[in-house]
Amino acid sequence: GAGVSQSPRYKVAKRGQDVALRCDPISGHVSLFWYQQALGQGPEFLTYFQNEAQLDKSGLPSDRFFAERPEGSVSTLKIQRTQQEDSAVYLCASRRSTSGVTGELFFGEGSRLTVL
Amino acid sequence: GENVEQHPSTLSVQEGDSAVIKCTYSDSASNYFPWYKQELGKRPQLIIDIRSNVGEKKDQRIAVTLNKTAKHFSLHITETQPEDSAVYFCAASKTGTASKLTFGTGTRLQVTL
Repeated sequence: GAGVSQSPRYKVAKRGQDVALRCDPISGHVSLFWYQQALGQGPEFLTYFQNEAQLDKSGLPSDRFFAERPEGSVSTLKIQRTQQEDSAVYLCASRRSTSGVTGELFFGEGSRLTVL
Repeated sequence: GENVEQHPSTLSVQEGDSAVIKCTYSDSASNYFPWYKQELGKRPQLIIDIRSNVGEKKDQRIAVTLNKTAKHFSLHITETQPEDSAVYFCAASKTGTASKLTFGTGTRLQVTL
């Protein structure tokens, strides 16, 4: 596709359920980021992949959050035992990343998670 | 880590007037400063960016200025139009493939007729 694609767009989960959010980055983009955006706030960094390697997971709020990108393209963000404070929009972004240069970050439309 | 503060949180201007949004950052090593526009329910989209080797950049009605000494940068929108209404986010990062953006908290701009 032409842009970053995320699914599902909307997810309602009961507290304690596990959820999985999918991101299809732009083809050929080396870098992939996950951000969490709470209502009325700016995106906050969760984790970063360079190809299949997860190089930075410093933003993951707890060990209930897990992300993977096994083949260096599609990525999945998994949240186990969801809590109400996990309710947010989860944004995926990708970047072509020429070494030493910061290129434009392209965002997906996000997955809105509501935990009841 | 980097901390980015953004002001004001809301801004209302009349069509045709100018709008200015200001951001400060904490990490003197940051050298890339993009601005994103996010319409309701939509993805953030890059509208302009500036690197630390320049002090100002302009693209039609949009300009960004950077003061590295004071660690602040600003977005200027001239001749505002109703379609400029959105939430604007500033961000900062270092260059490099693994660099992550740190975002401000956003400014909701409303352009009234």
